[in-house]
Amino acid sequence: NAGVTQTPKFRILKIGQSMTLQCTQDMNHNYMYWYRQDPGMGLKLIYYSVGAGITDKGEVPNGYNVSRSTTEDFPLRLELAAPSQTSVYFCASSYRGGSPLHFGNGTRLTVT
Amino acid sequence: QKEVEQNSGPLSVPEGAIASLNCTYSDRGSQSFFWYRQYSGKSPELIMFIYSNGDKEDGRFTAQLNKASQYVSLLIRDSQPSDSATYLCAAGRLRETSGSRLTFGEGTQLTVNP
Repeated sequence: NAGVTQTPKFRILKIGQSMTLQCTQDMNHNYMYWYRQDPGMGLKLIYYSVGAGITDKGEVPNGYNVSRSTTEDFPLRLELAAPSQTSVYFCASSYRGGSPLHFGNGTRLTVT
Repeated sequence: QKEVEQNSGPLSVPEGAIASLNCTYSDRGSQSFFWYRQYSGKSPELIMFIYSNGDKEDGRFTAQLNKASQYVSLLIRDSQPSDSATYLCAAGRLRETSGSRLTFGEGTQLTVNP
């Protein structure tokens, strides 16, 4: 069972570049989330989705976009990368709201 | 006030001791509470969850919930060096509708000394 798969594992971007972080899950979970984690800090919610076609903002959505065209996939788009977006990004899924999250292995992004 | 607040670390205990990690939350409507362990450079992994007041035990781990005091704790008995990690507390509401998500504390770093 793959669970939640994120790609890429690492990426270095120049300021102003764009990229998409991929996330896919094979547990048929309706709920999916994107979190970022800065060094020594907890997890901050960027965006989440309660099902295909439905997305909503979390605590720190500025500079990001998401889409959810299928149950399995929840890509995160960074437009015009900024140094403040240097972080580790975690995708997660859950069976329902408030139930345990299953995390991917993370994407370490550096913007220089 | 932070929505989920954890006791400041780092916390250091000797091997074999009990490690006590604490967490308070501000949303009285929170219904589900989780403890995740995160090793350096790795993703969080779920170690305990609790929904009802009282204690819940799983091996060396005990989660305690007091909704009246808005307080959650995690006890690790017979601490091992492999328990050295950052522990994240999370709280959330059990909902099917939009708006349901977990809020995480900033984590407490635990070191177990051999």
